[in-house]
Amino acid sequence: SQTIHQWPATLVQPVGSPLSLECTVEGTSNPNLYWYRQAAGRGLQLLFYSVGIGQISSEVPQNLSASRPQDRQFILSSKKLLLSDSGFYLCAWRMQGAGGYTFGSGTRLTVV
Amino acid sequence: ILNVEQSPQSLHVQEGDSTNFTCSFPSSNFYALHWYRWETAKSPEALFVMTLNGDEKKKGRISATLNTKEGYSYLYIKGSQPEDSATYLCASQYNFNKFYFGSGTKLNVKP
Repeated sequence: SQTIHQWPATLVQPVGSPLSLECTVEGTSNPNLYWYRQAAGRGLQLLFYSVGIGQISSEVPQNLSASRPQDRQFILSSKKLLLSDSGFYLCAWRMQGAGGYTFGSGTRLTVV
Repeated sequence: ILNVEQSPQSLHVQEGDSTNFTCSFPSSNFYALHWYRWETAKSPEALFVMTLNGDEKKKGRISATLNTKEGYSYLYIKGSQPEDSATYLCASQYNFNKFYFGSGTKLNVKP
């Protein structure tokens, strides 16, 4: 069966520090991979998605970047965090056909 | 960015009550409507995917309906139980990768 791992679960980082969140998927090949963020009191917002190794689509301009170095690995990064980067980050995957998402357990990021 | 609205924002009911909440979405170029249940400290879990106007899906005590012409979906829970306490998210899909999520309805079922 397919599983998705996301870490760390919580993170407190100072403004201006770098960020790296990692997500890996097991039990499937060539998944579509996604990074979502939920800011306080708001809905999930799509940040990045990838349909294959090395391919990244960005949905909103921001202080973040994403990379997909391997088929089942998706990384969210920042060189310098801002206070506004605080939120709950979810990694997810979908197959190439129809259907909904399978989400990771999320990372609560607090930038102080 | 399209606006998907969920109401109410939060709901407190007694065990045994039946309840329902609403998801409103732009109906133009609609492809599918997704419902998720998100329990605290867990991942959002898929409940239903609906595509056709008039669709109705059911899973145990939870059911959902879809009206694509007017752009809304209802989620119903019959005989709420404490384990139903969670945030219920809807997402409207417009093409393969365009999902727009509402901010959720937080349900608290008191024993």
